[in-house]
Amino acid sequence: EIVLTQSPGTLSLSPGETVTLSCRASQSVSSSYLGWYQQKPGQAPRLLIFGASSRATGIPDRFSGSGSGTSFTLTIGRLEPEDFAVYYCHQYGTSPPYTFGQGTKLEIK
Amino acid sequence: EVQLVESGGGLVKPGGSLRLSCVASEFSFSSYSMNWVRQAPGKGLEWVSAISGSGIYMYYADSVKGRFTISRDNPKNSLYLQMNSLRAEDTAVYYCVRDRGDLYSGYAPSYYYALDVWGQGTTVTVSS
Repeated sequence: EIVLTQSPGTLSLSPGETVTLSCRASQSVSSSYLGWYQQKPGQAPRLLIFGASSRATGIPDRFSGSGSGTSFTLTIGRLEPEDFAVYYCHQYGTSPPYTFGQGTKLEIK
Repeated sequence: EVQLVESGGGLVKPGGSLRLSCVASEFSFSSYSMNWVRQAPGKGLEWVSAISGSGIYMYYADSVKGRFTISRDNPKNSLYLQMNSLRAEDTAVYYCVRDRGDLYSGYAPSYYYALDVWGQGTTVTVSS
């Protein structure tokens, strides 16, 4: 099973700042199979990025993903108040089980 | 609007059973593989199970293998999760989630690999 480790666990930032979240895999993951999700309190998660770098429909261009192999990042530029949430990376791998990272919480400073 | 609506959650005693349902609308249900993903209170997301568009192929997390069964009824646009021998650690919100295509059909381009539609979740509590 591929383990995804996200860092940091919590980030305190101010609106307008830029942030980069990290997701590291215990073994190589095809970038085609790596996604990022946003979850706000009391809501279901929402797809942000698939294929490591492709934005889902309706996702603002201040969200960008990159990476390959075992290291992936999600960058959010010019943080808006609605961006403060928990972010998860997720991988499909070549076969199940599929796994999520433990999440990074972005909170307002 | 593409939508997934779960139901069937509730309070059940350890060792008991529960069947979750998910009804899909506004998309060609049989063309998509489907998943159940859960989230324990205050915790992160955990993939639980997946099923192919045809219903032939099924996959499970080790934590539920042998206790949970995923199934689907394509004419009814419905996905199910039969949960038996429930444990306290199964307490969670259970989400019904669509892949962007059928990952198990023999043709799955890379852009299929994303969980693009989520239901609102149904809560399962296992407690005596």
